[in-house]
Parts: sequence; structure tokens; C-alpha cells
Amino acid sequence: DGGITQSPKYLFRKEGQNVTLSCEQNLNHDAMYWYRQDPGQGLRLIYYSQIVNDFQKGDIAEGYSVSREKKESFPLTVTSAQKNPTAFYLCASKPGRGTGSYNEQFFGPGTRLTVL
Amino acid sequence: AQRVTQPEKLLSVFKGAPVELKCNYSYSGSPELFWYVQYSRQRLQLLLRHISRESIKGFTADLNKGETSFHLKKPFAQEEDSAMYYCALSGAGGTSYGKLTFGQGTILTVHP
Repeated sequence: DGGITQSPKYLFRKEGQNVTLSCEQNLNHDAMYWYRQDPGQGLRLIYYSQIVNDFQKGDIAEGYSVSREKKESFPLTVTSAQKNPTAFYLCASKPGRGTGSYNEQFFGPGTRLTVL
Repeated sequence: AQRVTQPEKLLSVFKGAPVELKCNYSYSGSPELFWYVQYSRQRLQLLLRHISRESIKGFTADLNKGETSFHLKKPFAQEEDSAMYYCALSGAGGTSYGKLTFGQGTILTVHP
């Protein structure tokens, strides 16, 4: 089951530590996204990147950082500044313009982060 | 600003009964609407989108611009339909291009 992979599946972090979540895709998609999923709140956009070496803040970017050095990779760092980091994190990617499904996003399996 | 509202957090029906999951949106332009589904222990996946006007797994959804709604319907629910369902909106262009705004989600349980 390739496509979009996220690692690790479960992650535990002590308060005050930074942690990086991995997201890799082999779909040759231009855009990639990070969402946070909390019960009763749906998915909220953290950061997104339309092309390599470019990214924008989403709705809840505070306490997070990203990089997009390669087309296939979009790692998310949860910093110690994030006040409530325990959540389920989903990565997604999307084909570029000019394809029939260019607005459909494809999701990874997710990483569950728990702060101890 | 774009917003999606799913008023029901939980929805329970019996097998064979009709089901309707409600979705209302707020967007000033011309939106693209989607329904995503997350089955237990599976990743979030696209169920259907309004521009395709298709039926997937017996589900249909019609975009009603007058009522700004995109309700998901199925005439006869099955136990395997039990899942979390998200309605999502994407702006057609500008700074909203490609960004999905999700509703809060509805957990559908179909009882035998």
C-alpha cells in the first residue's frame, strides 16, 4: 500500500521536546498538506505546500514548522511551543492543475502523537 | 472565509433504513464539495464529489446552491457503511485554491 506513507504510526514525546513527523509520497503530486484531527473538531489545516521550496501557514500553524526540500517529502515538526500537541496528524497530497482530479486530496494513514 | 458545518456528530440508523448526513457550507465564490469517509482502521478516502454527479456505494449527494447544502444520502443503509464521514469544501481559485475546509464530521452507525 504505497502512495502516501507516514511514520511513525505512534509517537510519544515528553513536554518541552520537539518532534518531527515524516510524510512521503510517490504519486508525483505537487501539493502536500498537514492536518490535525481532534474528536469533534474535524480536520484542521496546519501547513500546506503547493510546490517544492514553498509553503504557507494554514489555520492552526502556531507551534508547528515544515520544510519542502523535495517534491516527495513534507516533514512536520511539532515544537515545544505547541500548547496542546496530543492529536492525530494526517498528511495529504494532491495532483497539480490540469489533471481530472486536481482538487482531490489523497491521505496518508496518520501518526498519533501523545505528549507525556 | 469558507466554512463547513455538519450539525450531527452522531447518527444511528438500522440496516435497510434511509440515511441522510447533513452538510451546509459558507463560501462567497463557486465551491467544489466533497464527501470523505474514514472506516475503522483505514485511512481517510474520497467517497464522492459534486462535480462527478455519481453514485458511490449507493451514496449520492446533490449540491444545492440556494440552500448552500451538500447532504449525503443513501436509500438503504448497510452495516458496512458505519464510519466517520466528513464533508469538505475547496475554493475554486485564488488563495483558496486546493485548500480543503472540513466539517466536524459525523459518525454513522448502522445497526443490524
